[in-house]
Amino acid sequence: EVQLVESGGGLVQPGGSLRLSCAASGFTFSSYSMNWVRQAPGKGLEWISYIGSSSSAIYYADSVKGRFTISRDNAKNSLYLQMHSLRVDDTAIYYCARRDDTYSYMDVWGKGTTVTVSS
Amino acid sequence: SYELTQPLSVSVALGQTARITCGGNNIGSKNVHWYQQKPGQAPVLVIYRDSNRPSGIPERFSGSNSGNTATLTISRAQAGDEADYYCQVWDSSIVVFGGGTKLTVL
Repeated sequence: EVQLVESGGGLVQPGGSLRLSCAASGFTFSSYSMNWVRQAPGKGLEWISYIGSSSSAIYYADSVKGRFTISRDNAKNSLYLQMHSLRVDDTAIYYCARRDDTYSYMDVWGKGTTVTVSS
Repeated sequence: SYELTQPLSVSVALGQTARITCGGNNIGSKNVHWYQQKPGQAPVLVIYRDSNRPSGIPERFSGSNSGNTATLTISRAQAGDEADYYCQVWDSSIVVFGGGTKLTVL
């Protein structure tokens, strides 16, 4: 079964750091680019980062540029999101999603991990 | 930056046809994808590349894209179709989502 499972969320104080992980299974992880998408409480979907299959291409939304770092380990079938200088408005459910490289849609999503930034 | 505009809400009577629009500058030149999200669940891809259905998505879901508007059409709407729907494109190396539309089936 094709599956993505996020982990690493939790409660963190403003200014703190957190590292999210996304474990992939059921497909050849190294052949796919990946995205992180988040959703603040009661809000819509917000794309935050993309990484190519070999990590050669990386993009960020302006809202997280300079604070978040996306990475992957194809040997471990894992995607990561290192988050620094967290703010209250980073509070959200964070999803990892597999991307189709031909047409850019996201066809597999994890269930998400919740990040709460609060003092 | 590129923007996608969706109506906040759409209502449809049970068994009728719902149409959810996604507006963007010359969106007809882009590949548009649609996601369904039910409360407490992750998004699910329902239409990709304007009008294609992934396996497992009912034929009742269809899409079109031309000019400045893409449309998701849900025929014979069911109670289980109640959800938030998001359109999405890829533009200049970033992913753009519409603001989402809440579909209510009456």
